Amino acid sequence: DAEITQSPRHKITETGRQVTLACHQTWNHNNMFWYRQDLGHGLRLIHYSYGVQDTNKGEVSDGYSVSRSNTEDLPLTLESAASSQTSVYFCASSERTGVNGNEQFFGPGTRLTVL
Amino acid sequence: AQKVTQAQTEISVVEKEDVTLDCVYETRDTTYYLFWYKQPPSGELVFLIRRNSFDEQNEISGRYSWNFQKSTSSFNFTITASQVVDSAVYFCALKQGGSEKLVFGKGTKLTVNP
Repeated sequence: DAEITQSPRHKITETGRQVTLACHQTWNHNNMFWYRQDLGHGLRLIHYSYGVQDTNKGEVSDGYSVSRSNTEDLPLTLESAASSQTSVYFCASSERTGVNGNEQFFGPGTRLTVL
Repeated sequence: AQKVTQAQTEISVVEKEDVTLDCVYETRDTTYYLFWYKQPPSGELVFLIRRNSFDEQNEISGRYSWNFQKSTSSFNFTITASQVVDSAVYFCALKQGGSEKLVFGKGTKLTVNP
């Protein structure tokens, strides 16, 4: 069955370190997204990609970067982790929107703690 | 600009009660899509329903029903005869027709007590 996976599921790191969160989908979807979820804020979009070599900034992109070298993967990098980036991170993917406005499928999430 | 408001932060009910989760949206587009997602205590996000702006028919799926009213920009979600397993955070989301991005509300935490 097609799926979307994230690794690691839990990560503890120190302020100033570079951290990369992996996202892999086997749906063959063009679109991939990264969100962070914080209490009181719901889900906020960090970065997104509509295809290979395409990346775009979302609502809260400062301090984060992504790259898309193939269809399946969209790794999220925190260049220099800060305590404010302690959060739960979700990756999602979707087909390119047709007449039905396709839904996004979400990975299981990565809980990141920055000490 | 797009915006989704879920005014109810937390709701607590007793099992078998009916409960309605409110969702109000803002968009200038005539073509848009509305979604509901469920996030149970285990943490994953589960897609529940999608509705496009041209289809105002209400939908029922078992104990779940959705009421879409363009006149009030609302897409409310009702659970009939709630069960403990319905306890979760529920998110309403909006997507403009020309975009692939979702804008989420802040979520409503529903607790169903036995």
